[in-house]
Amino acid sequence: GNSVTQMEGPVTLSEEAFLTINCTYTATGYPSLFWYVQYPGEGLQLLLKATKADDKGSNKGFEATYRKETTSFHLEKGSVQVSDSAVYFCALSDRYGGATNKLIFGTGTLLAVQP
Amino acid sequence: GAVVSQHPSWVICKSGTSVKIECRSLDFQATTMFWYRQFPKQSLMLMATSNEGSKATYEQGVEKDKFLINHASLTLSTLTVTSAHPEDSSFYICSARDGSLHTGELFFGEGSRLTVL
Repeated sequence: GNSVTQMEGPVTLSEEAFLTINCTYTATGYPSLFWYVQYPGEGLQLLLKATKADDKGSNKGFEATYRKETTSFHLEKGSVQVSDSAVYFCALSDRYGGATNKLIFGTGTLLAVQP
Repeated sequence: GAVVSQHPSWVICKSGTSVKIECRSLDFQATTMFWYRQFPKQSLMLMATSNEGSKATYEQGVEKDKFLINHASLTLSTLTVTSAHPEDSSFYICSARDGSLHTGELFFGEGSRLTVL
């Protein structure tokens, strides 16, 4: 079945450091890929998404490229801020746009950015 | 963006009692909602898919008689934890898609933290 594997945290960085959170997936067909973020005490919010191979999702300085050849969707940011401290979830949807299609999540990676 | 609201945001109950959690889509109609349970160390487990006007579809290993899901309208789904026990203490999160957007993303509620004493 479909699954998502992301690097375990916590990831602790200093402000302005470069961030990479690895995510790989297993899926049949052509899934859509997502990164969600959960700030302390809040629900999940969509950070970025990509719906086909070689698409790059970007938002708030974060980027991730849909790599079909390596089945990866690694999250990157060139310069993190303290306000980026949160839990980041990689996820896939087994079909694009279908209202009933499930979203499968990775285990989440806690990012802690120190001033 | 679309808004999904959960209530209550936290609840404490005694062992053996039942607790109902509501999930509402505030500005769109959701024919399908999803219920997740978030365990310590952050992992999200899909519990069930809630379908408006029909029975929910439960994931393997989730007790349907324990976690009752009702989706009575296009904007409301409820999760009832029946005869709750301390091991049911967790963070329960609902989500929904706005079918008119065709983006595939889910909109999440704020979550409901259940503590069973």
